[in-house]
Amino acid sequence: ETGVTQTPRHLVMGMTNKKSLKCEQHLGHNAMYWYKQSAKKPLELMFVYSLEERVENNSVPSRFSPECPNSSHLFLHLHTLQPEDSALYLCASSQDATSGIQGTQYFGPGTRLTVL
Amino acid sequence: AQTVTQSQPEMSVQEAETVTLSCTYDTSESDYYLFWYKQPPSRQMILVIRQEAYKQQNATENRFSVNFQKAAKSFSLKISDSQLGDAAMYFCAYRSAIWETSGSRLTFGEGTQLTVNP
Repeated sequence: ETGVTQTPRHLVMGMTNKKSLKCEQHLGHNAMYWYKQSAKKPLELMFVYSLEERVENNSVPSRFSPECPNSSHLFLHLHTLQPEDSALYLCASSQDATSGIQGTQYFGPGTRLTVL
Repeated sequence: AQTVTQSQPEMSVQEAETVTLSCTYDTSESDYYLFWYKQPPSRQMILVIRQEAYKQQNATENRFSVNFQKAAKSFSLKISDSQLGDAAMYFCAYRSAIWETSGSRLTFGEGTQLTVNP
């Protein structure tokens, strides 16, 4: 596989469930990102990881818990979600997390999450 | 804080024709990056083209080109010889070149839905 992949592509869960979203990048990048895309709203950056270390956490509720075991894999663990958390969750990666051109982000296809 | 505005929620173009999508942004910084991404019905966000603010020359990628007007804070995307596969939501995005102010944050506009008519 090439690029950035995400699984599952679709997920339906109840408010008491625990689930995880997975992202894998095959680009040899060192930085990975989670974004949330809700209807009628611009994309929101949630978390940034650089070399497996979290470098940004943009006021995301604790019911979202990221994990980056290595530079190729990124997880988003979900628990006790609310219906308003239903959205498309996009993963991205970049060569590194700097502000230079190496920070250009490449996205995965997203996971469509529905919380009942 | 930086903001990105796309004033055209929807645009349409005939196949093989040319269309221009508008984007304006607001920033007090002098060094930054601008991007156009497309998001087709598959929802995959695909990088179309990028521009470094310190470069005066407009970026081009095959049928895609930009008109970057730094003083006017305008960054429009021109699609030439439009194809059916160009139909998608197009997002303009801004990223600061100063890590201390914005880190890796991409600031997106609200998008323009492009329809290509056969």
